[in-house]
Amino acid sequence: AQSVTQLDSQVPVFEEAPVELRCNYSSSVSVYLFWYVQYPNQGLQLLLKYLSGSTLVKGINGFEAEFNKSQTSFHLRKPSVHISDTAEYFCAVMPVRGAQKLVFGQGTRLTINP
Amino acid sequence: KAGVTQTPRYLIKTRGQQVTLSCSPISGHRSVSWYQQTPGQGLQFLFEYFSETQRNKGNFPGRFSGRQFSNSRSEMNVSTLELGDSALYLCASSSGTVIEKLFFGSGTQLSVL
Repeated sequence: AQSVTQLDSQVPVFEEAPVELRCNYSSSVSVYLFWYVQYPNQGLQLLLKYLSGSTLVKGINGFEAEFNKSQTSFHLRKPSVHISDTAEYFCAVMPVRGAQKLVFGQGTRLTINP
Repeated sequence: KAGVTQTPRYLIKTRGQQVTLSCSPISGHRSVSWYQQTPGQGLQFLFEYFSETQRNKGNFPGRFSGRQFSNSRSEMNVSTLELGDSALYLCASSSGTVIEKLFFGSGTQLSVL
């Protein structure tokens, strides 16, 4: 089985400041890793994913994440945030083999203050 | 290309009733997955259908069921509604072979009174 822990339920930052949203996972099998964003009253939009290869993954809207296998982490970063980044962010894993379903963390609400 | 379409957008039901939610996947996609999102439990996988067959199932009671039609459209049914079934129900579609490319709909917000 897999589990995902997002270490911060809420993260407030000022506009143009850097941000890091933390994600740790647990799995007995190899997994793919994902970050999704959810804007108010909307579904989930994929920000980025790690399947294999380079551990630094770049996504949309200037976000990037680094996969650290030894620490089983997949933290999301952005060097300079904008008001429009205010949303809820979800880290998720999916086993490479077996049941193809996403297991999500509880989410981190990112609030950007002017 | 149209995205994943879920109908209705909002639903209000009372305890004991049943409800059917609909999901139309992206054209050409053969896999449809359903997720439940609640403030307490977060996002949880319900089930996945591929080519009209349930391929994977989450840990939900038998009151939750689904089906997929030959045109890949999917419906989810919840019988004997309980207050705790109030949630945002999200549908996601994929080709079924490149499963990590999931596209989500905007969801159906179900309120059980």
